[in-house]
Amino acid sequence: EPEVTQTPSHQVTQMGQEVILRCVPISNHLYFYWYRQILGQKVEFLVSFYNNEISEKSEIFDDQFSVERPDGSNFTLKIRSTKLEDSAMYFCASSSVSGGSSSYNEQFFGPGTRLTVL
Amino acid sequence: AQSVSQHNHHVILSEAASLELGCNYSYGGTVNLFWYVQYPGQHLQLLLKYFSGDPLVKGIKGFEAEFIKSKFSFNLRKPSVQWSDTAEYFCAVKGSGDKLTFGTGTRLAVRP
Repeated sequence: EPEVTQTPSHQVTQMGQEVILRCVPISNHLYFYWYRQILGQKVEFLVSFYNNEISEKSEIFDDQFSVERPDGSNFTLKIRSTKLEDSAMYFCASSSVSGGSSSYNEQFFGPGTRLTVL
Repeated sequence: AQSVSQHNHHVILSEAASLELGCNYSYGGTVNLFWYVQYPGQHLQLLLKYFSGDPLVKGIKGFEAEFIKSKFSFNLRKPSVQWSDTAEYFCAVKGSGDKLTFGTGTRLAVRP
């Protein structure tokens, strides 16, 4: 069964460093998402991406964050200058269709990358 | 803005006990509702969803959920849990856009 994969599974970085989290969505999917979960808190939406553009982003997704689909298979989340509060589990998800109010989309999640900022 | 509340943070049951996990949401428009499950060390997986139609939805592994619009609720149920149901369960709501808004999750531990 096709699945979303993420690398690395765990990333440790120093505060102020740049990190890139990588995701390989399911191959025929067109819509991509990043979520994060700070330890003990809710899973929070960060950004959705379609047709090489951000389609929606949350207030968390500030100028420190960026997303890119550098080739036909990868979808990346970059944090330019990490802060302690960026420590979290980051989940990538993908879906084959959009989730407008009149349609249903199932988002398939990857296993997550645990980011630890020291 | 949409939001989700899950009232039970930790639930411990013995095998064969019945399960009900509460979920309430807040959103002014048409919603899609989901329950996701995360088994230890595994991905978030879709357990079931409500999109429209019959408010009683059945999912995988014997789970079901009932959408009660007047109560803004979407509680998850299973008549008889198994040890293998030990996992974290997340209720989520989707409004008009693509983003899922999750609850805080409920950790279920089933004693054999």
